[in-house]
Amino acid sequence: SQQGEEDPQALSIQEGENATMNCSYKTSINNLQWYRQNSGRGLVHLILIRSNEREKHSGRLRVTLDTSKKSSSLLITASRAADTASYFCATDGGQAGTALIFGKGTTLSVSS
Amino acid sequence: DAGVIQSPRHEVTEMGQEVTLRCKPISGHDYLFWYRQTMMRGLELLIYFNNNVPIDDSGMPEDRFSAKMPNASFSTLKIQPSEPRDSAVYFCASSLRGLETQYFGPGTRLLVL
Repeated sequence: SQQGEEDPQALSIQEGENATMNCSYKTSINNLQWYRQNSGRGLVHLILIRSNEREKHSGRLRVTLDTSKKSSSLLITASRAADTASYFCATDGGQAGTALIFGKGTTLSVSS
Repeated sequence: DAGVIQSPRHEVTEMGQEVTLRCKPISGHDYLFWYRQTMMRGLELLIYFNNNVPIDDSGMPEDRFSAKMPNASFSTLKIQPSEPRDSAVYFCASSLRGLETQYFGPGTRLLVL
């Protein structure tokens, strides 16, 4: 089944640096979403980008989507220790009635 | 809104026992999802409902697992009998439109001894 695959699996950076995570998927999509999961918590929706969009911003987050390459990236600028979490991309199947499929996530560690 | 509510938050049981996990979705949401998360397999969709009707249960691992949604504000996931390999964090999520933003509950951490 189609699935978002995040890269890298783990990322360690210093506060103030930018963090970039990538997601690749296999089939056509209607939209792609990014979620964050803090340790011991549920997932929290960050941003949704539709297949006809190429870039979207939300605060310090910037998401790009390249449907020709079936890939997306999530950029967190000026990272903070509070950004330490796992980040997941989720894709739909491009068809009505199909559910989201989540990747295995990128674990981001931001040290101060 | 209180968000998606799950209970219990933690459950420790012995192999062979019945386990029932509960979920209250956000009021007005018409989709409800049950997921299981483990280190090895990541986040797996078990089943989802639309307007209280099960739409896709292909992710339910085996007959030991069952899920119900008797009304728009309540769903259960039952494991009977439970096995150690069922140990995981189980999440419930709801959404207003199935393929768009999902709101997750805090999860139930299940340990089967």
